[in-house]
Amino acid sequence: GENVEQHPSTLSVQEGDSAVIKCTYSDSASNYFPWYKQELGKRPQLIIDIRSNVGEKKDQRIAVTLNKTAKHFSLHITETQPEDSAVYFCAATQESGGSQGNLIFGKGTKLSVKP
Amino acid sequence: EPEVTQTPSHQVTQMGQEVILRCVPISNHLYFYWYRQILGQKVEFLVSFYNNEISEKSEIFDDQFSVERPDGSNFTLKIRSTKLEDSAMYFCASSFQGHQAFGSGTQLSVL
Repeated sequence: GENVEQHPSTLSVQEGDSAVIKCTYSDSASNYFPWYKQELGKRPQLIIDIRSNVGEKKDQRIAVTLNKTAKHFSLHITETQPEDSAVYFCAATQESGGSQGNLIFGKGTKLSVKP
Repeated sequence: EPEVTQTPSHQVTQMGQEVILRCVPISNHLYFYWYRQILGQKVEFLVSFYNNEISEKSEIFDDQFSVERPDGSNFTLKIRSTKLEDSAMYFCASSFQGHQAFGSGTQLSVL
């Protein structure tokens, strides 16, 4: 089955700096890769996702890149702000005809943005 | 924006007791999921449900677990005889031609 590895487990940056979180996956059949942000005690919230037919997707300060050959994808946050502080999870699954399989999550990265 | 809702937010139970966790998925969603997250660990898949039957389940989802969609709006997870190691945050999620939206979770504490 699918296995998702995520690094680093913790990341501390200064406000305004960039943050990069990396994930690798094992199942080449996976074609949908979401990123979730989870603030303490709250639900995981989707912040960006990418499908295997594209290599990069951007939404304001957040971008995700995907390398299908190497089976890795990365989250990039630019101009970080204190409110970006949270745990970020990557995930992978197969998507077909509008239905998604179960999400396999990485272990999470605790991002701390220092003012 | 519509949200997945879960009740209760917290549930404390004695070991061996049955618990039912309730979820109301987003109304036009057709695919439903249960995940759990032990404190400080990653989110783990339990079960997925579509067209009134289980689509997929993980090794965690043993005979003590069951799911049901008793009516057109609710989706429940039942644990028949809780164990200490069932203590976790349980998240319901739903989707339809898009990303999985998560509920706010039920924190289950088994004493």
